[in-house]
Amino acid sequence: KQEVTQIPAALSVPEGENLVLNCSFTDSAIYNLQWFRQDPGKGLTSLLLIQSSQREQTSGRLNASLDKSSGRSTLYIAASQPGDSATYLCAVKHMNSGGYQKVTFGTGTKLQVIP
Amino acid sequence: EAQVTQNPRYLITVTGKKLTVTCSQNMNHEYMSWYRQDPGLGLRQIYYSMNVEVTDKGDVPEGYKVSRKEKRNFPLILESPSPNQTSLYFCASSPDWDTEAFFGQGTRLTVV
Repeated sequence: KQEVTQIPAALSVPEGENLVLNCSFTDSAIYNLQWFRQDPGKGLTSLLLIQSSQREQTSGRLNASLDKSSGRSTLYIAASQPGDSATYLCAVKHMNSGGYQKVTFGTGTKLQVIP
Repeated sequence: EAQVTQNPRYLITVTGKKLTVTCSQNMNHEYMSWYRQDPGLGLRQIYYSMNVEVTDKGDVPEGYKVSRKEKRNFPLILESPSPNQTSLYFCASSPDWDTEAFFGQGTRLTVV
């Protein structure tokens, strides 16, 4: 069974710091991995999608990497800003043992960027 | 504007009273899905649909029904809601199942 873990559960950093959020998954047979941010009371906003054949994706100050063999993805945020404060979620798309497509989410890292 | 729209945003209902949460997308996406989000458990997939008239169970389908009669709409039906279905619900869509997913704003459901 695929399990997705995000550590730490919460993180507080001063503004301007570069930071790394981690996402680990137990089954490397994934189709893709997607990073989201979720603001309180809001829906999920897609940040980056990495297909299984890719190693990384970049968008502005965000860079996500994927290492399937080790079951890890990292989200790098450069020069953090208070507006980056949110909960960050990763999700993997995969097939289960029965051949059915599944989406498994991590429980998220709650980030606070202090001005 | 490209978006996924859920209604209602907030709903309080009583045990056993049938309800429907609507989801509509204007991006002509083929893949749509429903999730529930609970503290400590994260988001879990309830049902998904690959295309019109094609639906399948996710991880937690018990107590829910869905239908996909047209491409843009994917309603979630609770025939007889129970308090353990109190949760935050999200609808999502994507062009295909392995492409970028877009989420609605969520529906907070309370069953008393």
